[in-house]
Amino acid sequence: KAGVTQTPRYLIKTRGQQVTLSCSPISGHRSVSWYQQTPGQGLQFLFEYFSETQRNKGNFPGRFSGRQFSNSRSEMNVSTLELGDSALYLCASSLGGPITSYEQYFGPGTRLTVT
Amino acid sequence: AQTVTQSQPEMSVQEAETVTLSCTYDTSESDYYLFWYKQPPSRQMILVIRQEAYKQQNATENRFSVNFQKAAKSFSLKISDSQLGDAAMYFCAYRSVNYGGSQGNLIFGKGTKLSVKP
Repeated sequence: KAGVTQTPRYLIKTRGQQVTLSCSPISGHRSVSWYQQTPGQGLQFLFEYFSETQRNKGNFPGRFSGRQFSNSRSEMNVSTLELGDSALYLCASSLGGPITSYEQYFGPGTRLTVT
Repeated sequence: AQTVTQSQPEMSVQEAETVTLSCTYDTSESDYYLFWYKQPPSRQMILVIRQEAYKQQNATENRFSVNFQKAAKSFSLKISDSQLGDAAMYFCAYRSVNYGGSQGNLIFGKGTKLSVKP
């Protein structure tokens, strides 16, 4: 079974631009979560989607948004990029559903550099 | 709010030896999950082991085992017979148990960088 895939793997953007990152979960997984990883702040939760609905949201500004499609693929968007948005963005998928015992499986990440 | 603390930013172990990585957490919840994730230099985060708080028995996965002390809110990872491929960042993570709602996000510690010397 294929793992979690994220595209693109690397991205360079200029301050003020916007960016869209994509995540395809493991087949059969319906929950997708996004995390931001930086050397200073570590791993921080952005949001979680299940069945096309945002179920949980971290403490990030409204510039960070996401969505999930009917095939469970998810995208996250960052508008008006700032230098501090430079980070590794990780996507994680899990089976989802009412029982929260399911582990999250991570993708390889998208390295975003804002100049 | 829950917090996870890893007090060892870096650790080093000789190949074939045993090493223990420390993790403490703070929570007022009685039921939760704890995880250890490994992130090699290639950056793919890999689940190493998980522990359900309601289980008293410590989880084991081959050379990896945990020492879960619920009262002390401690969750250490022991790696036996260390191998060169064990070199990576190790993250301790906490997740609440939620029924019928959100999966609950992972709350991570800052990580411990493990080096393995040949």
